[in-house]
Amino acid sequence: AQSVTQPDIHITVSEGASLELRCNYSYGATPYLFWYVQSPGQGLQLLLKYFSGDTLVQGIKGFEAEFKRSQSSFNLRKPSVHWSDAAEYFCAVAPYNNNDMRFGAGTRLTVKP
Amino acid sequence: DAGVIQSPRHEVTEMGQEVTLRCKPISGHNSLFWYRQTMMRGLELLIYFNNNVPIDDSGMPEDRFSAKMPNASFSTLKIQPSEPRDSAVYFCASSLQGLNSPLHFGNGTRLTVT
Repeated sequence: AQSVTQPDIHITVSEGASLELRCNYSYGATPYLFWYVQSPGQGLQLLLKYFSGDTLVQGIKGFEAEFKRSQSSFNLRKPSVHWSDAAEYFCAVAPYNNNDMRFGAGTRLTVKP
Repeated sequence: DAGVIQSPRHEVTEMGQEVTLRCKPISGHNSLFWYRQTMMRGLELLIYFNNNVPIDDSGMPEDRFSAKMPNASFSTLKIQPSEPRDSAVYFCASSLQGLNSPLHFGNGTRLTVT
């Protein structure tokens, strides 16, 4: 079955530490890939997206993600986390077009001082 | 650009009452989506429209739920009658139809049915 998996429900990192949030997908072909961030009481905001080309994509707020076809993964990274990055992060895939976008269960990020 | 605007931000109602949630998409966007978010089920797509036409409502949980898009700048999601298990945050999102267009989300309506 087609699916999006975010294995980590909750991650805690110290401010200034590096971050990697995992996302794996299960689809027949390479889908369109997205990462969104949701702050408390807010809607989802697009961080970055991948469609084709360079497998390392840069997003807003200093985030980047790397697409690895062999691992069916699209992990989100940030070299140095800021307290304001505390939020919930959602990986999303769109197998064919954005009308069929599927979201992972989300990873909640807590940042320790 | 004001973004996607949803109203109300919070709605508290009693079981059996009718609830109407409203959404104004970003001007120029021709696709509109309604999602429901709960702790148990995460983000669920309820229905989406292309050019004001409902394309897929397979995510609508029951006949108590209905959605309309009378024009390109307005959509409603109605629950009648409401039940406590409908309590959730309901998001509206809009986009340009097509492969490369991300969804732009509103801030959601938090619905509590007592």
